[in-house]
Amino acid sequence: SQQGEEDPQALSIQEGENATMNCSYKTSINNLQWYRQNSGRGLVHLILIRSNEREKHSGRLRVTLDTSKKSSSLLITASRAADTASYFCATAPSNTGTASKLTFGTGTRLQVTL
Amino acid sequence: DAGVIQSPRHEVTEMGQEVTLRCKPISGHNSLFWYRQTMMRGLELLIYFNNNVPIDDSGMPEDRFSAKMPNASFSTLKIQPSEPRDSAVYFCASRPTVANTEAFFGQGTRLTVV
Repeated sequence: SQQGEEDPQALSIQEGENATMNCSYKTSINNLQWYRQNSGRGLVHLILIRSNEREKHSGRLRVTLDTSKKSSSLLITASRAADTASYFCATAPSNTGTASKLTFGTGTRLQVTL
Repeated sequence: DAGVIQSPRHEVTEMGQEVTLRCKPISGHNSLFWYRQTMMRGLELLIYFNNNVPIDDSGMPEDRFSAKMPNASFSTLKIQPSEPRDSAVYFCASRPTVANTEAFFGQGTRLTVV
């Protein structure tokens, strides 16, 4: 079963605009991670935010985490055509320690047009 | 390190045949995951191992699926007999067994059962 649900399912923006994707999850977590998948390829890790963190930045990426609402958001600023991909959130539940599994959400397909 | 290596990249087989997918995790990573990705069901966790031991196989769809990890550098996912509904992309991922670490994905095996 999937732990997370991303919203929206699909997003189309123009180059230079910001893209915001949201993720909701169900159980308590150790951390939440965001991954990117280009068409036909494997997933690539973007950023990890721990359960005791509220915001994290990495280049043009900004991630927020609200554990009280069990939700996270990924903001990509000044988007580029090369950002076109699917984006997934993944959660590591807090009840399984360091050997925790990663459960992925349904993903958001981002299309950035010139 | 060459990353997580999966083979084959593509597999086309007839219904009823046995299919074996292979994965070589990154050296030193003690956790290994098998995922299945389809348009309808998204990215599903099938099974994961920690130190070569299966920890959670609740995602394995049915008895036709089996997974092994005979040593730290090799895992297999076997489907016997295969059915058309097994057609999907199967991903292997590995990560170190420490808290708050990312997973590294292989390029996947695209399985088509006709």
